Amino acid sequence: RKEVEQDPGPFNVPEGATVAFNCTYSNSASQSFFWYRQDCRKEPKLLMSVYSSGNEDGRFTAQLNRASQYISLLIRDSKLSDSATYLCAPASGGSARQLTFGSGTQLTVLP
Amino acid sequence: DGGITQSPKYLFRKEGQNVTLSCEQNLNHDAMYWYRQDPGQGLRLIYYSQIVNDFQKGDIAEGYSVSREKKESFPLTVTSAQKNPTAFYLCASSTLTGKHQPQHFGDGTRLSIL
Repeated sequence: RKEVEQDPGPFNVPEGATVAFNCTYSNSASQSFFWYRQDCRKEPKLLMSVYSSGNEDGRFTAQLNRASQYISLLIRDSKLSDSATYLCAPASGGSARQLTFGSGTQLTVLP
Repeated sequence: DGGITQSPKYLFRKEGQNVTLSCEQNLNHDAMYWYRQDPGQGLRLIYYSQIVNDFQKGDIAEGYSVSREKKESFPLTVTSAQKNPTAFYLCASSTLTGKHQPQHFGDGTRLSIL
């Protein structure tokens, strides 16, 4: 089993739709979780941090389920500019704050 | 502007050649990391460093070397022993203060074989 698993997609949704991605992780010691957004041929950019049950920032909501070891990202009222790959990254728990990245979920928002 | 600067943006390597990728940060972060990303894949950790003059191997360190002589600099050398070096290389940094700290990335170097 991979350490971090994400549905690769692609998810193709119309503008204004609500879309959700899941990410499962195997390291039960993980305390911090991050969602990054990566545009084509660019670097990942931090979207949200999650370390309690969840976090909300505008149209974006991240939820953490420690018992089932997954985190989710919900995007409401999708915009064309939300088209990107979304990477899930749990922290490994080490002193160097290592992250383990999933392969990403590709989202395309259609006009 | 505070941030992480990687150079060059594009790099070509001849067979048998070592090449060095630069990564500099002015965020005063303690930790720095190097990742490799292949098309359609996630990021894989090559090396990381928590403090000057110390660094640890990540998951795919073979064929790579690093140094950390200054807090702000963490160059990565892709040696001739790395037989498949074509990839997108990303440098990141993080503070180690506080429990929940994300990593922040430079804009990457694309390495190709000539």
